[in-house]
Amino acid sequence: AQSVTQPDIHITVSEGASLELRCNYSYGATPYLFWYVQSPGQGLQLLLKYFSGDTLVQGIKGFEAEFKRSQSSFNLRKPSVHWSDAAEYFCAVGGRLTGGGNKLTFGTGTQLKVEL
Amino acid sequence: DAGVTQSPTHLIKTRGQQVTLRCSPKSGHDTVSWYQQALGQGPQFIFQYYEEEERQRGNFPDRFSGHQFPNYSSELNVNALLLGDSALYLCASSTGTGPNEKLFFGSGTQLSVL
Repeated sequence: AQSVTQPDIHITVSEGASLELRCNYSYGATPYLFWYVQSPGQGLQLLLKYFSGDTLVQGIKGFEAEFKRSQSSFNLRKPSVHWSDAAEYFCAVGGRLTGGGNKLTFGTGTQLKVEL
Repeated sequence: DAGVTQSPTHLIKTRGQQVTLRCSPKSGHDTVSWYQQALGQGPQFIFQYYEEEERQRGNFPDRFSGHQFPNYSSELNVNALLLGDSALYLCASSTGTGPNEKLFFGSGTQLSVL
């Protein structure tokens, strides 16, 4: 069964500092990997996704993630964090459903706090 | 172009009651998925609807049921509510069946069971 682990429950960084959020996955085949962000009272917004090809994926809001098959990881990075980046971040792996379609299996999330 | 809309935004029920949550998918989308997000957890897949049929369900009891209408909107019904059903319920819509399909999430319905 597919699963996602986000080992850091909370992370605090200073504004302007770099950021790396960790994600490890378990999946039997080539994974489809995603990072989502959730602000309080909001739904999930897709930051970036990996399906195949270049292992370094660029997303919105200056985020990027690197797929490393050997480490079963898909860590999210940003070179300089802005106060508005404070939110909860979820890593997810996509799995095929019987009869077509996809479902996402999410990690438990990492809460990012940004200090001014 | 409206995105995914869910109603109501908040709901308070008591144990044993039944609840219906509603979702209108993004324009042009024909597939609706429902997720439950308990406090401090990531969303968990409940089920997905396509062409008015339940395509597959996650690890949720039969108390959770759904429906998709011809206009692709969807309802999630939960019977015999338990305290543990308190959560944010998210609806996501998409189109296509390939790996490139992109899920668009609504803002959710916050259900509190007292």
